[in-house]
Amino acid sequence: SQQGEEDPQALSIQEGENATMNCSYKTSINNLQWYRQNSGRGLVHLILIRSNEREKHSGRLRVTLDTSKKSSSLLITASRAADTASYFCATDAQGGSEKLVFGKGTKLTVNP
Amino acid sequence: DGGITQSPKYLFRKEGQNVTLSCEQNLNHDAMYWYRQDPGQGLRLIYYSQIVNDFQKGDIAEGYSVSREKKESFPLTVTSAQKNPTAFYLCASTKTSGRWDEQFFGPGTRLTVL
Repeated sequence: SQQGEEDPQALSIQEGENATMNCSYKTSINNLQWYRQNSGRGLVHLILIRSNEREKHSGRLRVTLDTSKKSSSLLITASRAADTASYFCATDAQGGSEKLVFGKGTKLTVNP
Repeated sequence: DGGITQSPKYLFRKEGQNVTLSCEQNLNHDAMYWYRQDPGQGLRLIYYSQIVNDFQKGDIAEGYSVSREKKESFPLTVTSAQKNPTAFYLCASTKTSGRWDEQFFGPGTRLTVL
């Protein structure tokens, strides 16, 4: 079963606006990762946040993690048309096997 | 350039045929993974290998087989026992076998059953 579930499933915004995507998960985790996938391509790692971290930044990306609510958010500021892609969260599970579990993703469209 | 290559990019299979998808990495990574992605869905783990000559089943291993004879290579065979093989297949690798590692992905192979 899916560990992470992204919300919303699809998001359409104008260039320059901010985009926020959320990920909820069910069991305690060691870390949570966000990936990006352009249409028909492989995934690209964006950022990893550990369970003892609350916020992390990378360029225009800001990720937060709330372990009490079992949720994470990915914020893309000042979006560009090139940010159009699907975004996935991936979680491990404390005590689980050596693998990540991916959500179904949020499809972001940034209109020029 | 270091990276992961997958071939072919597109593959067509007739029902009842076995096909093998290639995955090669020159990153000197220990662990490799195969995922299946269906339209509008996330990735589901088929098989993974943490070390040469060893591999484990993922969540949807039925109808698939793998080998890991070399560190650089992790081919996936889609057998005729896989009843619905049409999908996008992604190979990935991590530097170590730890689940906290960043996964590096290949460009994918799109398999279509005719």
